[in-house]
Amino acid sequence: QSALTQPPSASGSPGQSVTISCTGTNRDIGRYDFVSWYQQHPGRAPKLMIYEVTKRPSGVPDRFSASKSGNTASLTVSGLQAEDEADYYCCSYGGSNNLILIFGGGTKLTVL
Amino acid sequence: EVQLVESGGTLVQPGESLRLSCAASGFAFSSYWMHWVRQAPGKGLEWVTDINQDGSVKFYADSVKGRFTISRDNAKNSLFLQMNSLRAEDTAVYYCARGETYAVFYWGQGALVTVSS
Repeated sequence: QSALTQPPSASGSPGQSVTISCTGTNRDIGRYDFVSWYQQHPGRAPKLMIYEVTKRPSGVPDRFSASKSGNTASLTVSGLQAEDEADYYCCSYGGSNNLILIFGGGTKLTVL
Repeated sequence: EVQLVESGGTLVQPGESLRLSCAASGFAFSSYWMHWVRQAPGKGLEWVTDINQDGSVKFYADSVKGRFTISRDNAKNSLFLQMNSLRAEDTAVYYCARGETYAVFYWGQGALVTVSS
């Protein structure tokens, strides 16, 4: 199984909405409802933003939402703020013993 | 407050061994799966290995199988990663991470491992 596919970059102006896609296969995203999303600022550890496709951990603003359709998951950031500028990674349960978690290549979100 | 603090990262030569440690606090360590996830410089995240609550079940990525060993000491709230036969491509920041429902809820700050001659 290869890494999940994300666009390398995305951008939006403050207040706008932006959606980041994450494409897998019917062996990972398409089979399991274990998709998560992580935000990573430069030089910092990743932070969980979404788990189990649509759930937000405590403390994550409701401006962050996510969904899944078939083999593709999506993260939407509404009401963009300057602090949302970061790298975003999707992740799915891989379904096999040698690939428990499969990550996407990451998307650099720029707030214009 | 959940805290995961890695230690042991350093510069080593190809073929050498290194052991990373992760000290956990602020939660019931023995109740969670734990992972190691790495990130090569300027690259994305890569899952490396994980271990179940009592240490009896371990899974490894193909890229490290046979060279890396994960272990834990629940009495000391500690997670370990023994890395043998290190290669240049193992150069990365290694994150200790707490797993739950096939997601990583908490990450350590990371330990940099550099493999170079």
